[in-house]
Amino acid sequence: EIVMTQSPATLSVSPGERATLSCRASQSVSSNLVWYQQKPGQAPRLLMYSASTRAPGIPARFSGSGSGTEFTLTISSLQSEDFAVYHCQQYNNWPLLTFGGGTKVEIK
Amino acid sequence: QVQLQESGPGLVKPSETLSLTCTVSGYSLTSGLHWGWVRQPPGRALEWIGSINHRGTTYYNPSLNSRVTMSVDTSKNQFSVRLSSVTAADTAVYFCARDGGDGYKFGVFDFWGQGTMVTVSS
Repeated sequence: EIVMTQSPATLSVSPGERATLSCRASQSVSSNLVWYQQKPGQAPRLLMYSASTRAPGIPARFSGSGSGTEFTLTISSLQSEDFAVYHCQQYNNWPLLTFGGGTKVEIK
Repeated sequence: QVQLQESGPGLVKPSETLSLTCTVSGYSLTSGLHWGWVRQPPGRALEWIGSINHRGTTYYNPSLNSRVTMSVDTSKNQFSVRLSSVTAADTAVYFCARDGGDGYKFGVFDFWGQGTMVTVSS
């Protein structure tokens, strides 16, 4: 099983500041990585796929990078609606899919 | 617009079988793709349970493999999951989701249901 590890668990950021979230895979997943955003009481929402491609409707302030085992999600200027939990998930080993533990982005 | 809706009991007794159904609207299951179940215990990470396609081909998380059964009913545009011998550790929000739509590779969940909380307790 490919283990996905996200850091930090919680990130405290002021509105307008930049947020950088990390996701590490226990073995290479190439670029087969997605990021989801989840707000309280809601389902996850697809943000990014293929590690760096924004899903339809996702603002340009969200960007993804990385390949292999190290990935980053950057939110360039946090808006109030961006405070949420972010999950990474690999699909290189489809159909065996694994998620990271999530990073909560909270208001500082 | 594709929509998914989970349904099923919110409370299941230990050792019994959890059974949930996902009803899909806005997309026919017979058009292809895969359909998955993901769960999230309170305050914990998302966990993939398994996936199924319109032909009924199934893929299960090895950690749950012996307890999970998924099925599809294309006439009702629904797919279902059953998890046997449940314990308190199976208490979670259960989501259904579309896998591989809109040209994405399989493994990318682009549409999700709102989720349903299932508590295992006597």
